[in-house]
Amino acid sequence: DTAVSQTPKYLVTQMGNDKSIKCEQNLGHDTMYWYKQDSKKFLKIMFSYNNKELIINETVPNRFSPKSPDKAHLNLHINSLELGDSAVYFCASSQVGAASYEQYFGPGTRLTVT
Amino acid sequence: RKEVEQDPGPFNVPEGATVAFNCTYSNSASQSFFWYRQDCRKEPKLLMSVYSSGNEDGRFTAQLNRASQYISLLIRDSKLSDSATYLCVVNKAAGNKLTFGGGTRVLVKP
Repeated sequence: DTAVSQTPKYLVTQMGNDKSIKCEQNLGHDTMYWYKQDSKKFLKIMFSYNNKELIINETVPNRFSPKSPDKAHLNLHINSLELGDSAVYFCASSQVGAASYEQYFGPGTRLTVT
Repeated sequence: RKEVEQDPGPFNVPEGATVAFNCTYSNSASQSFFWYRQDCRKEPKLLMSVYSSGNEDGRFTAQLNRASQYISLLIRDSKLSDSATYLCVVNKAAGNKLTFGGGTRVLVKP
């Protein structure tokens, strides 16, 4: 009964490779997010989708491409991985308009680029 | 200047003691405020929302000072299980974009 799930949990890859991270939520929320948490622990939003429509696109290299096939799924594809991409990537979901604005996070994907 | 700033700590707290820490935000148009908790190598989870009049949830008390643009979190009767990083989170006026502070690490020791 996991609310927000991500795969894989760990990802170790070499520079220059292309990789994808998948996220699914079963909360019925209409909005999903990708965050990056770097080694200094700052959590920064990268993208947000509302009902499959991109609504937040922060200053992220275009090597990062999100895709939302439906409102329960949000995937992140990364091309030509660089050392600086090493971080923990969190997916989250929320119901926009809900009073609490609470965002529910997945367990994170720890990406290490060597 | 960062949009949301926090003392990174760590705050070393004896078990049973009270600890309090603040967070400042730069955007005066910010509308909603939250404290999230993040355990080591885990995902952030909502601890509590912060209301203008201040609010309490068990041993946790949150305050908002709009004039000085800061929010605070006070933990009474600290438990070992309160050891975590506490993230100050601010919601801008538009959309549901949350801005996270860097977190304040709290270590409760026996």
